[in-house]
Amino acid sequence: TQLLEQSPQFLSIQEGENLTVYCNSSSVFSSLQWYRQEPGEGPVLLVTVVTGGEVKKLKRLTFQFGDARKDSSLHITAAQPGDTGLYLCAGANAGGTSYGKLTFGQGTILTVHP
Amino acid sequence: DAMVIQNPRYQVTQFGKPVTLSCSQTLNHNVMYWYQQKSSQAPKLLFHYYDKDFNNEADTPDNFQSRRPNTSFCFLDIRSPGLGDAAMYLCATRGTGAYEQYFGPGTRLTVT
Repeated sequence: TQLLEQSPQFLSIQEGENLTVYCNSSSVFSSLQWYRQEPGEGPVLLVTVVTGGEVKKLKRLTFQFGDARKDSSLHITAAQPGDTGLYLCAGANAGGTSYGKLTFGQGTILTVHP
Repeated sequence: DAMVIQNPRYQVTQFGKPVTLSCSQTLNHNVMYWYQQKSSQAPKLLFHYYDKDFNNEADTPDNFQSRRPNTSFCFLDIRSPGLGDAAMYLCATRGTGAYEQYFGPGTRLTVT
């Protein structure tokens, strides 16, 4: 069974601060997705990373996939109240009947105070 | 815009009264998923369809059933809801060969 350990579970910061969320596993994933979910809504896909060492940027968000494709991080620069939400990492694998099935991390609840 | 739609957004049912949640998609994706999510936890996969092939998760209770009459629509039936079934139910889709799943806005189920 593959597991993704996501940390921290809770993060409460002031507007303008930087933060990093981590996802770690002992297993290799073919791809890793990051989602943001606001209260009462479904998760929204932020990014997919598939290549070891890959770095993707989305405005103030930087996503990195580890060289061995076992871990990933999300860094937010100058956080804003609009960044508040539940952040989920999810790994997926290719092959067989489990193709594309997501293994989720536990989630990080981020609160950015004005 | 192509999207995943869930109806209703909020559903209240009584203990033991069957309820059906619906999902539709305009993405023309082959794979559709149903998840259960409880307060600020990660979504838990209940089952998924690859085209018409149904795949049940081992720990999904028999109380939960699903139907996919065509590519666009998928239904979640809860035969006898218990208080523990109160949750957000999420539908998601994925295209063949892709990794990304696209989620609908969810249905919040309350059991009284």
